[in-house]
Amino acid sequence: DAGITQSPRYKITETGRQVTLMCHQTWSHSYMFWYRQDLGHGLRLIYYSAAADITDKGEVPDGYVVSRSKTENFPLTLESATRSQTSVYFCASSESGGRNNEQFFGPGTRLTVL
Amino acid sequence: GQNIDQPTEMTATEGAIVQINCTYQTSGFNGLFWYQQHAGEAPTFLSYNVLDGLEEKGRFSSFLSRSKGYSYLLLKELQMKDSASYLCAVGGGQKVTFGTGTKLQVIP
Repeated sequence: DAGITQSPRYKITETGRQVTLMCHQTWSHSYMFWYRQDLGHGLRLIYYSAAADITDKGEVPDGYVVSRSKTENFPLTLESATRSQTSVYFCASSESGGRNNEQFFGPGTRLTVL
Repeated sequence: GQNIDQPTEMTATEGAIVQINCTYQTSGFNGLFWYQQHAGEAPTFLSYNVLDGLEEKGRFSSFLSRSKGYSYLLLKELQMKDSASYLCAVGGGQKVTFGTGTKLQVIP
């Protein structure tokens, strides 16, 4: 199916475990983004990527790792999960970065770290 | 960096008009976005302003004043389904910075 998908949709894990959240888009958009959304903070950018093999930090990158070996995939890894990383994670894609192209968001992954 | 301010919550009556304000201070500005987000769902794009003035799109309009660092989203003929959060976001460089959002409740 065309669009942007995320998996899993829900995840419960324990402190210290490694977790990978997947994001896949079928539009061949150059830019992809990872956000976390928490009450009182809104959407905060974790990492973004302008193209395959090009990634850069956003506002809150600590504790997260990303890679982008293929244009369509942009996985986000929590190397050692902490309770403060309990959040809703959204992946998004766009044709350009901060310019006139809208971002298309995936459905989100609700992550709970116990 | 970017600093974006918008009211946390608003309540309006079905059929009425509501204006959601957004002020911003930025180190780089390409344009201003508005997104709508229903509870438990992903944000969806509403509008984009790059030049000063009003952009109208059906029941929704968005205004921008770059000199004042100010924008508003105007929703007319409110419907119950408009109950959602409205996110103001500033595009700069390669990325977009989002405000914390305004939760709008439409009451009968």
